[in-house]
Amino acid sequence: AQKITQTQPGMFVQEKEAVTLDCTYDTSDQSYGLFWYKQPSSGEMIFLIYQGSYDEQNATEGRYSLNFQKARKSANLVISASQLGDSAMYFCAMRDASNSGYSTLTFGKGTMLLVSP
Amino acid sequence: DAGITQSPRYKITETGRQVTLMCHQTWSHSYMFWYRQDLGHGLRLIYYSAAADITDKGEVPDGYVVSRSKTENFPLTLESATRSQTSVYFCASLSRGLYEQYFGPGTRLTVT
Repeated sequence: AQKITQTQPGMFVQEKEAVTLDCTYDTSDQSYGLFWYKQPSSGEMIFLIYQGSYDEQNATEGRYSLNFQKARKSANLVISASQLGDSAMYFCAMRDASNSGYSTLTFGKGTMLLVSP
Repeated sequence: DAGITQSPRYKITETGRQVTLMCHQTWSHSYMFWYRQDLGHGLRLIYYSAAADITDKGEVPDGYVVSRSKTENFPLTLESATRSQTSVYFCASLSRGLYEQYFGPGTRLTVT
């Protein structure tokens, strides 16, 4: 079974600094996908970035980049130039290939990021 | 409204009562999912569905029932609510061939 581990319950960063949120995963599948979602205090789940296991380049979306190290089974999220609005819970997730032939998501427990002025 | 909606957004119920959480999406996505979110656990999959009348159990299905008679609706029923089912419930949908799940706004359920 797939497993996602986020070892940082909470992280603090100052505005304009970069921050890395850690995510390691465990799977026996060759084909999989890794996601990061943001959950602000308002509660909605916001998709940030996706990395496929066969993608050779690290995914980037604006200030977000995914540092994908396949051999280490890690998929860390890097936020450059943090903003106050980045304060939120961040979840790493993996796309499973279910027996039904389509994908479900397995989530980590999340990391709470607080950005200070 | 376009997108994915959940109702009610907040619900308080008593132990032993039946309660149904509604999920509606306007995209005609094939796949739909129910998750629960609890502190210290992240989101855990309850049930999912590939199409109308096709449903499968996820990681934590006990105490829940789902149905999918129409593609756009995926209600989740707690047949006899327990305090351990106090949680935030998220519905999500996914289009065939894509990978991003779109989440509804969530329903905060309290069982007293």
